[in-house]
Amino acid sequence: AQTVTQSQPEMSVQEAETVTLSCTYDTSESDYYLFWYKQPPSRQMILVIRQEAYKQQNATENRFSVNFQKAAKSFSLKISDSQLGDAAMYFCAYRSAGIGNQFYFGTGTSLTVIP
Amino acid sequence: KAGVTQTPRYLIKTRGQQVTLSCSPISGHRSVSWYQQTPGQGLQFLFEYFSETQRNKGNFPGRFSGRQFSNSRSEMNVSTLELGDSALYLCASSLGGGLNNEQFFGPGTRLTVL
Repeated sequence: AQTVTQSQPEMSVQEAETVTLSCTYDTSESDYYLFWYKQPPSRQMILVIRQEAYKQQNATENRFSVNFQKAAKSFSLKISDSQLGDAAMYFCAYRSAGIGNQFYFGTGTSLTVIP
Repeated sequence: KAGVTQTPRYLIKTRGQQVTLSCSPISGHRSVSWYQQTPGQGLQFLFEYFSETQRNKGNFPGRFSGRQFSNSRSEMNVSTLELGDSALYLCASSLGGGLNNEQFFGPGTRLTVL
């Protein structure tokens, strides 16, 4: 089975600074999708960014970007110009490209933004 | 468009009882997935339903079951509750038919087993 590992249970960043959250995964598949989800204290999980494994170009969404290293099975999230609203639990997730919709999630990284 | 809704939001039960949780997906979404979220364990996949059929199942005991109705609404049932079943149960919906499946999550049902 696929596994997703987030080795940083907690991280903190100064407002306006940059922070990188780490994620590694284990899979024998060649085609898959990777995601970063954000779960603010209100608990509604929302998608931050998505990466298709067949794309070499790293995905970017405004202040959020990823560093996707397929050979190393690494998928880190970089948040630039951190804002107070970025404080949340961040989950890395893996989904196979096959039939079905089973996501595998990491245990999460709690991000604190310091004013 | 209304988001994913889950009812009830909070639930308190005692050991041995059973519970049914409900999830209404976004209109037009045919896939509904259920997750158990506990501190330190992250999100554990329970099962996924697509067009009323269970398409994927996680590694949970048979006490956890679910179903999906023709309108895509889904219910999850847990029988013979144990203390360890206390968790936030999240439902997520997606279009489900293709590869570009973004999941949209509901607010969750907080289950406490005493």
